[in-house]
Amino acid sequence: DAKTTQPNSMESNEEEPVHLPCNHSTISGTDYIHWYRQLPSQGPEYVIHGLTSNVNNRMASLAIAEDRKSSTLILHRATLRDAAVYYCILRDKAGGTSYGKLTFGQGTILTVHP
Amino acid sequence: DADVTQTPRNRITKTGKRIMLECSQTKGHDRMYWYRQDPGLGLQLIYYSFDVKDINKGEISDGYSVSRQAQAKFSLSLESAIPNQTALYFCATSDKGTYGELFFGEGSRLTVL
Repeated sequence: DAKTTQPNSMESNEEEPVHLPCNHSTISGTDYIHWYRQLPSQGPEYVIHGLTSNVNNRMASLAIAEDRKSSTLILHRATLRDAAVYYCILRDKAGGTSYGKLTFGQGTILTVHP
Repeated sequence: DADVTQTPRNRITKTGKRIMLECSQTKGHDRMYWYRQDPGLGLQLIYYSFDVKDINKGEISDGYSVSRQAQAKFSLSLESAIPNQTALYFCATSDKGTYGELFFGEGSRLTVL
């Protein structure tokens, strides 16, 4: 499985934008980029995913580099509730046993200051 | 009520005991998963099931077994618990689609003394 590299931790101030980077230099053409986050004492929750084009949803935006070797999760205005561990995960679109699995790395711990 | 429910939420047991963690879901998903999380680390996949008759080992299945009793129920068993199985366990479900978002339960914290 292709791996991702994320900073161990990042800090932000409330109401400021946050850019969480992820490197995935060995990404294959069929890998989707997924982001999940885990709030304290909770299970992970889906944030966003994309393949090649930038994506927006109500929670965040995902900016994908043209060569797809890196991506950035953007929280437009951080709130205290956004403090969590953010996981960048590559997910194979193809069939087989890897389909449907998510392999979590250690993620980025985001601290949001009031 | 939560869409993915895990029981028990907390359990303390002794080495050598048999433990079962249960997961039930109301989302109508075919796919269910068991993950383990150790402190400060990401999640590791233990077992996954794509339908009632399909069960597959994940990255760290040794020492664990599972049972898919129905579409909505997926249980994880530790036949003889050992201290290094102390961890937070998560059940998750997903639909069949390519983008199948995973929905996680709130976790079961297991301590093996």
